[in-house]
Amino acid sequence: EVQLVESGGGLVQPGGSLRLSCAASGLTFSSYSMNWVRQAPGKGLEWISYISSSNTIMYYADSVKGRFTISRDNAKNSLYLQMNSLRVEDTAVYYCARTHYDSSGYGLGYWGQGTLVTVSS
Amino acid sequence: EIVLTQSPGTLSLSPGERATLSCRASQSVSSSYLAWYQQKPGQAPRLLIYGASSRATGIPDRFSGSGSGTDFTLTISRLEPEDFAVYYCHQYGTSPYSFGQGTKLEIK
Repeated sequence: EVQLVESGGGLVQPGGSLRLSCAASGLTFSSYSMNWVRQAPGKGLEWISYISSSNTIMYYADSVKGRFTISRDNAKNSLYLQMNSLRVEDTAVYYCARTHYDSSGYGLGYWGQGTLVTVSS
Repeated sequence: EIVLTQSPGTLSLSPGERATLSCRASQSVSSSYLAWYQQKPGQAPRLLIYGASSRATGIPDRFSGSGSGTDFTLTISRLEPEDFAVYYCHQYGTSPYSFGQGTKLEIK
């Protein structure tokens, strides 16, 4: 069974930093690209970052570019999100999600349960 | 940046009825990279449809996806009580990737 478990969320002051982790099990982690998606309280989903399986390609939403860094350690089956210069508007539940793909196309096939990040003074 | 606009924002229907949800893209999206998700309160999203029309594992056949280019549709043929939730479309073909704002399907 595929499991993704996020951790590292919490309360942080504006301008502060936080590092989220996503531990993967039940899959060949190194074979899949991964994503971070967030959801502000009562709002919709916002894709924020992608990393390729080989750790060579990264993409970011404009809202986090230059402040957040995605990375992965395939030996540890783990995905990370380093968040710097945090803003009140970064308050959200952060999900890691694994890409699903086959001959029919792509989607985010597996999701963690999410970790809450609250940015407040 | 590709903007996805979902309509309607809220859809009020009764169990047994047919639901049609729309997702319109600001520019063409390859069908391979268009997906739909269902999210219930307090839960993570669940992949329903990927590649515009392929059902994910375990998804009932009352869910179907269609469309191409800039117009995509999610259809639920006969609503079951557990289908009332929020639905999101998602494009995964052109970075920055994006989600629609969601359609809330509520019981009438």
